[in-house]
Amino acid sequence: GENVEQHPSTLSVQEGDSAVIKCTYSDSASNYFPWYKQELGKGPQLIIDIRSNVGEKKDQRIAVTLNKTAKHFSLHITETQPEDSAVYFCAAPISGNTPLVFGKGTRLSVIA
Amino acid sequence: KAGVTQTPRYLIKTRGQQVTLSCSPISGHRSVSWYQQTPGQGLQFLFEYFSETQRNKGNFPGRFSGRQFSNSRSEMNVSTLELGDSALYLCASSPRTGGSYEQYFGPGTRLTVT
Repeated sequence: GENVEQHPSTLSVQEGDSAVIKCTYSDSASNYFPWYKQELGKGPQLIIDIRSNVGEKKDQRIAVTLNKTAKHFSLHITETQPEDSAVYFCAAPISGNTPLVFGKGTRLSVIA
Repeated sequence: KAGVTQTPRYLIKTRGQQVTLSCSPISGHRSVSWYQQTPGQGLQFLFEYFSETQRNKGNFPGRFSGRQFSNSRSEMNVSTLELGDSALYLCASSPRTGGSYEQYFGPGTRLTVT
């Protein structure tokens, strides 16, 4: 089955700096890679996703890159703001089908 | 569109009791998945329902069960509660059509077992 590893577990950055979170997956058949942001007391919110036929996707300050050969994908947040502080999760489906297997999460703190 | 709703938001139960949680997916979404979130284990998949049929099941004991109704609303039930069942239970809905895998989560139900 799919195994998703996420690093780092905690990340502190100064406001305005960039943050990068990395995930690796084990199932080469996986073809969909979402990222979720979870704020305190809320459910995870889908912030960006990428499919295996695309190497990079960007949405304003957030971007995701995918390296299928190495089986890893990364979340990039530029010009970080205090409201970016949250726990971020990467995920991958089991063998190209839902359900999702989640990484353990990265607690991002943006220091003003 | 309204988002995923879950009721109740908070629940306190005693060991040995049973509990039923409810989830209403986004309008038009036919798939509902349930996840358990704990600090130690993270987000773990429980089961998925699509058109009233269970399509996938995670590695949880038979005390955890679910169902889906014709209007796509879903319930999950946990019988004979144990202390270790204390967790945030999240429901996610997905259109599950045309190769669409996006899942949208509700706010969760915080279950505390004492």
